[in-house]
This record gives sequence, structure tokens and C-alpha cells, in this order.
Amino acid sequence: DAGITQSPRHKVTETGTPVTLRCHQTENHRYMYWYRQDPGHGLRLIHYSYGVKDTDKGEVSDGYSVSRSKTEDFLLTLESATSSQTSVYFCAISAVDTIYFGEGSWLTVV
Amino acid sequence: KNQVEQSPQSLIILEGKNCTLQCNYTVSPFSNLRWYKQDTGRGPVSLTIMTFSENTKSNGRYTATLDADTKQSSLHITASQLSDSASYICVVSARNSGYALNFGKGTSLLVTP
Repeated sequence: DAGITQSPRHKVTETGTPVTLRCHQTENHRYMYWYRQDPGHGLRLIHYSYGVKDTDKGEVSDGYSVSRSKTEDFLLTLESATSSQTSVYFCAISAVDTIYFGEGSWLTVV
Repeated sequence: KNQVEQSPQSLIILEGKNCTLQCNYTVSPFSNLRWYKQDTGRGPVSLTIMTFSENTKSNGRYTATLDADTKQSSLHITASQLSDSASYICVVSARNSGYALNFGKGTSLLVTP
């Protein structure tokens, strides 16, 4: 446990609505990541951050945006949720020795 | 293209038996290889991390091996327990890649009584 908290842990939303997932860390690590995990695909990088207001795209960034206004918080926003974004979302932080993952946020878009 | 392939995709073993999971990768230049355990409904948890110069690393009943020449790694579980039932994910990093991690799709292990 590296002090990572994801919220909400579970959410059901309707197609077309915006959704924001929050990742909070207590360890002051510089690098933070958002991944999605789907059956048959493993973990895929959506966006990552290397500092406050410093973010970049991963391999599956379409339809997602991120913000990092404080070191401890990394927000993932689905601007207009679609059914293809139904997934489990994991936040991660990069520490000196390893990568730590949060407990996941289960999102269902109906 | 950097790829990580894991086998088998799934495995069922009896409690108390040993098993070995495989990971083959094409990531280059190699930096390190990690094995994670992911329980159902939970986030992945690190088991081991190995760099180029390390051949073997243990964490309790888990022993990971690395052959950087053949680009293969294995995770051996000794005297399996019911709590070992989980997905095991191989993750490979390239040098100078910054953020980039290359994930395998995982091996799903079920340990039965």
C-alpha cells in the first residue's frame, strides 16, 4: 500500500454524460498514471503525469482528459462517456523501487 | 514493437502442487522485469523486480527467474495455496523509456482443494 486512493470505486453512468475519476496519493511521488483493464487486453495506459500540470497521452487516450493541479491528485475525465469506456480503471504511481497500483474504479456506461 | 507474451493463459492446479508461469518479451533495450499478482477485484501487487544482471529473485514461495539472452522469465510457485488463486502479470520496462511499461495479458491461476 503506497497511500493510493481511488474514488469512486464503483459508478454507473449514462452514455453522453461526463465522468471524473480521482486518484489521490499521500507519498508525494512525481509520476502518476491512469490505466484501463479489459478482458483480453491487459492493462493499457490512458494518460500519465510527470509533475504538476505536466501530463501526456498514453496508447488509449481518445475520449479521455486528465488534470493534475496538485502533486497528490490526478484526475481522469471522460468527457462524454460511451459504452466502450465501460472498464476497470487503475491509478498507479512510480516509486523508487516499483510501481504501485490503486484498488481500481469500476465504471459501467449504460 | 515491444511485446510481452505470457503462457499459459490459464492454469488449474491442486493445492500443495508447484507450478511455473512463463513470460517471453521482445522489449529492447531491456531495463527490468516485474511480476505482479492481481487478486479478483483488486489492484496488482508487486511480487518481484529483476534487472539485467539478476537471474533469480525470491519472495517467499514465489521465485522468479530471468534469462536476458533469450528474453524469457518464469515465475515458480512452490507448495501452492488456495490464496495463490489470482492473475499473474509480467511487466517489462525498456531503458530510457520513462513512463512506458509493457504489460502481458496475465496468467489466470486457480488453485483447487
